[in-house]
Amino acid sequence: NAGVTQTPKFQVLKTGQSMTLQCAQDMNHEYMSWYRQDPGMGLRLIHYSVGAGITDQGEVPNGYNVSRSTTEDFPLRLLSAAPSQTSVYFCASSRKWAGTGELFFGEGSRLTVL
Amino acid sequence: DAKTTQPPSMDCAEGRAANLPCNHSTISGNEYVYWYRQIHSQGPQYIIHGLKNNETNEMASLIITEDRKSSTLILPHATLRDTAVYYCIAPFGNEKLTFGTGTRLTIIP
Repeated sequence: NAGVTQTPKFQVLKTGQSMTLQCAQDMNHEYMSWYRQDPGMGLRLIHYSVGAGITDQGEVPNGYNVSRSTTEDFPLRLLSAAPSQTSVYFCASSRKWAGTGELFFGEGSRLTVL
Repeated sequence: DAKTTQPPSMDCAEGRAANLPCNHSTISGNEYVYWYRQIHSQGPQYIIHGLKNNETNEMASLIITEDRKSSTLILPHATLRDTAVYYCIAPFGNEKLTFGTGTRLTIIP
């Protein structure tokens, strides 16, 4: 199993550009989520999904869109990048999150917005 | 989620036991306590979780007080590779799993 795979690992954008961070898991996990981590800070939840076709907002959803058309994939879209979105983004998945599941994280995608 | 409180930083000598405390005084009866760690800027890694009883696995031990208001993660023989940020969380079936800023543990040679 590859686990949770994130692409790209590094990306530089200009203000106003759009892009999609990809996340895929091969563990048949129902729950997937996206976090961002700013320097010296903890992880903040952006969006999450409890299954295909179901998504919901986390702590900091503004400026980001998600969709979950398959169990395996959970892409994060930045519609119009801003310098404040410069961060490290982590995707995570869990078999069935109900407070009793272990989260598996990807290696992160490092985004710089100029 | 129950609110958790951790010291911002700790040091531990290499080879000694590292004891990381976490206060979760508002925890409810069905709420598990989870521990994760993040080495450098890698994705967080699951360590252990527990409800009431003490737990042990190949990575660490988790001691939960009888009133469940606090817990301690124990790394029995700390190595330099255990230098990381350690997060204690108590999500209680909450799909919005949130992390605080954790404890930055530094293992000193």
